[in-house]
Amino acid sequence: GAGVSQSPRYKVTKRGQDVALRCDPISGHVSLYWYRQALGQGPEFLTYFNYEAQQDKSGLPNDRFSAERPEGSISTLTIQRTEQRDSAMYRCASSRGVAGGPETQYFGPGTRLLVL
Amino acid sequence: GQNIDQPTEMTATEGAIVQINCTYQTSGFNGLFWYQQHAGEAPTFLSYNVLDGLEEKGRFSSFLSRSKGYSYLLLKELQMKDSASYLCAVADSNYQLIWGAGTKLIIKP
Repeated sequence: GAGVSQSPRYKVTKRGQDVALRCDPISGHVSLYWYRQALGQGPEFLTYFNYEAQQDKSGLPNDRFSAERPEGSISTLTIQRTEQRDSAMYRCASSRGVAGGPETQYFGPGTRLLVL
Repeated sequence: GQNIDQPTEMTATEGAIVQINCTYQTSGFNGLFWYQQHAGEAPTFLSYNVLDGLEEKGRFSSFLSRSKGYSYLLLKELQMKDSASYLCAVADSNYQLIWGAGTKLIIKP
């Protein structure tokens, strides 16, 4: 596609429910990143993939958070048993090459998650 | 620890020049990025510096001093549409981006 897309754009859920956030990177981009961004703050790294392999998940807050990218393209970030503190903007970004060198990351529009 | 510092907010006048500073302390350095983020939108790439000196790109320029752990973004001939947050990010020794909190730039007519 022309850019990174994410769905849904907005998600309202009740505490305790599971949510799945989807990211569709730019076609052909090898690296895919997940971030969380609070209002007035920079992106907070969660995890990233090269192709289908998850390279670093050190930023995931706890074991309720998981991510996958089974075919090396679309990725899903899953939050189980959501809590109110999970409310945030979740952003996905992709870059052209394998993340072994600094590359420009292209961001998607984000998913605004609200946990009631 | 790793740290990126930027001013929280700056105000400038349309048509003027503004300089947004960024200082960093990271475990390794593999370049510094500047991104622009309009309210409610995704960050978009502005510039990348890995060597010392000034990189000019139209109305925007970015400067880097690795020895001082310092960069700035210079915006000339300010336009109202330049009102946005400007994010500084450093690629560390693992090539992971460490992000600053961003500087909100307010342009007044």
